[in-house]
Amino acid sequence: RKEVEQDPGPFNVPEGATVAFNCTYSNSASQSFFWYRQDCRKEPKLLMSVYSSGNEDGRFTAQLNRASQYISLLIRDSKLSDSATYLCVVRAQGGKLIFGQGTELSVKP
Amino acid sequence: NAGVTQTPKFRVLKTGQSMTLLCAQDMNHEYMYWYRQDPGMGLRLIHYSVGEGTTAKGEVPDGYNVSRLKKQNFLLGLESAAPSQTSVYFCASSNRDRAYEQYFGPGTRLTVT
Repeated sequence: RKEVEQDPGPFNVPEGATVAFNCTYSNSASQSFFWYRQDCRKEPKLLMSVYSSGNEDGRFTAQLNRASQYISLLIRDSKLSDSATYLCVVRAQGGKLIFGQGTELSVKP
Repeated sequence: NAGVTQTPKFRVLKTGQSMTLLCAQDMNHEYMYWYRQDPGMGLRLIHYSVGEGTTAKGEVPDGYNVSRLKKQNFLLGLESAAPSQTSVYFCASSNRDRAYEQYFGPGTRLTVT
């Protein structure tokens, strides 16, 4: 079983739609959690951290459920510029980051 | 401010050839990393360094060597390239206090024939 698993997609949605990505992780000792964004053939960039209480950054909402070892990212009012691959990332003991394989999002006009 | 740069951007090697990938960062970061990214596999850590003169193995170190002689540079070497090493290689760096926020270079696309 992979340490971090995501639905690879692709998710094809119209502009303005709400889309949710899910991620599960296998190591219950994982310390912290993040979402990175990767545009086509470019480098990944940190999108947001994920806190236990849930957190928002504009149109983006991240949630964590430690009991179920589950992380989610909700994007409201999708824009064309949101088209990218979203990487679920878990920080393991020792500090290393473990990346999921990514979920591809395509927002259409 | 260049951030993280990687050289070269593209390379084609024949099986058995060697090469070195260069990563440079100008953010004075203590930590540096080398990843490879393959379709359906996500980013996998090859080697990393927590400071000048130190290196450690990541998840997939076999077939690679690294060196960090200067704080700003992290070199990844392939001694005898194999087709299984065809991949996109990303270098990243981070500050010790915010190690979860890694800054990535633009990647090197390597094909081994």
